[in-house]
Amino acid sequence: AQSVAQPEDQVNVAEGNPLTVKCTYSVSGNPYLFWYVQYPNRGLQFLLKYITGDNLVKGSYGFEAEFNKSQTSFHLKKPSALVSDSALYFCAVRDPLSEAGNNRKLIWGLGTSLAVNP
Amino acid sequence: DTGVSQDPRHKITKRGQNVTFRCDPISEHNRLYWYRQTLGQGPEFLTYFQNEAQLEKSRLLSDRFSAERPKGSFSTLEIQRTEQGDSAMYLCASSLGIQGRGNTIYFGEGSWLTVV
Repeated sequence: AQSVAQPEDQVNVAEGNPLTVKCTYSVSGNPYLFWYVQYPNRGLQFLLKYITGDNLVKGSYGFEAEFNKSQTSFHLKKPSALVSDSALYFCAVRDPLSEAGNNRKLIWGLGTSLAVNP
Repeated sequence: DTGVSQDPRHKITKRGQNVTFRCDPISEHNRLYWYRQTLGQGPEFLTYFQNEAQLEKSRLLSDRFSAERPKGSFSTLEIQRTEQGDSAMYLCASSLGIQGRGNTIYFGEGSWLTVV
């Protein structure tokens, strides 16, 4: 069965330090992987996605993520955290072999709350 | 602003009343989605349109819920006889329907519903 796990409910990091938000997945085929960020009382904003190609994907606001097929992971990273990065981060996955052609079957993680301390 | 817009942003209603939310997707997007999100959870899929056709409804969508997209542009989500358990944020999203491209879903700001 397809699934996404975000093993950490909360991540705390000091401003200026690198941050990592973890995501692991389970799909039967090659996954499409997405990261979204949600600020309080706001909708979800797209950060980046992996479909194919380079394993290192660069996205908005200086974030990047590395697709690791052997470890079935897609961790979100940023070299230097900002206080304004504090938000809820969601990882999502879709198996392109299932329900081809749309994203209604995106499987979502439960989210990781990132707190960046000044 | 050319993003997904939702209205109203907040709605407080008494139990038993009907509420309607509106979503205007990104103009060139032919796919439109409704999700529901409660605190501490990720989005839960409710329903999906391709143009004006409603192609799938989640089992989460009881008979009290109905969604329309009459001209393939904006969509409405109506909840009849609201219950306290309906309190949540209702998210609309849209995407381009290009098969095999892992189309990105873009979300609106959400509509918060509180049923008292």
